[in-house]
Amino acid sequence: ETGVTQSPTHLIKTRGQQVTLRCSSQSGHNTVSWYQQALGQGPQFIFQYYREEENGRGNFPPRFSGLQFPNYSSELNVNALELDDSALYLCASSSPKGASGRADGANVLTFGAGSRLTVL
Amino acid sequence: QQQVKQSPQSLIVQKGGISIINCAYENTAFDYFPWYQQFPGKGPALLIAIRPDVSEKKEGRFTISFNKSAKQFSLHIMDSQPGDSATYFCAASKGNNFNKFYFGSGTKLNVKP
Repeated sequence: ETGVTQSPTHLIKTRGQQVTLRCSSQSGHNTVSWYQQALGQGPQFIFQYYREEENGRGNFPPRFSGLQFPNYSSELNVNALELDDSALYLCASSSPKGASGRADGANVLTFGAGSRLTVL
Repeated sequence: QQQVKQSPQSLIVQKGGISIINCAYENTAFDYFPWYQQFPGKGPALLIAIRPDVSEKKEGRFTISFNKSAKQFSLHIMDSQPGDSATYFCAASKGNNFNKFYFGSGTKLNVKP
């Protein structure tokens, strides 16, 4: 079990640029979610991908987009970067609903360590 | 609008003491309430979770107390240890959006030796 890996770990961009963040999901997990964690705040749900399609979105503008690939890895793309986009971007993967093996039947998110984006 | 409100923002506890972190929610459709622990440079990791059909869940030194009528839940860390020093997040989700979690703003816990 390799866990969730994200790249790059840190990056610096300037306002107006575009960024792509990458995520490899944990083995056996077919759903990927992306969260934005601003400094000193809790993670905020951006969107999730299941079967290569967006399947649920939070309150983020369309310039936040993503992809999921057949191997369940995922990308988060952010266009026209703004200063407020500076944050830690977390990827989380999970097993199919109901297949977590937990007695309470709930899904467990396995988070990566994140990509720290700074927009200047 | 913040769906889950968490307090305190920071907490200092002596080794061996009890750490208590509180959360409140508004949406009665929430049916799953996990707590996540995050160490610096790491992603959050699931610590313990509860569903609203029980009032308490205990796993080792960690206990969740749940008050459905008050729409509040709390994390108790018994016999707190320096290794427990981390940021703790409460969260909530609804069954039909099983990966969409609403997180609290976090509590930074510092356990003094």
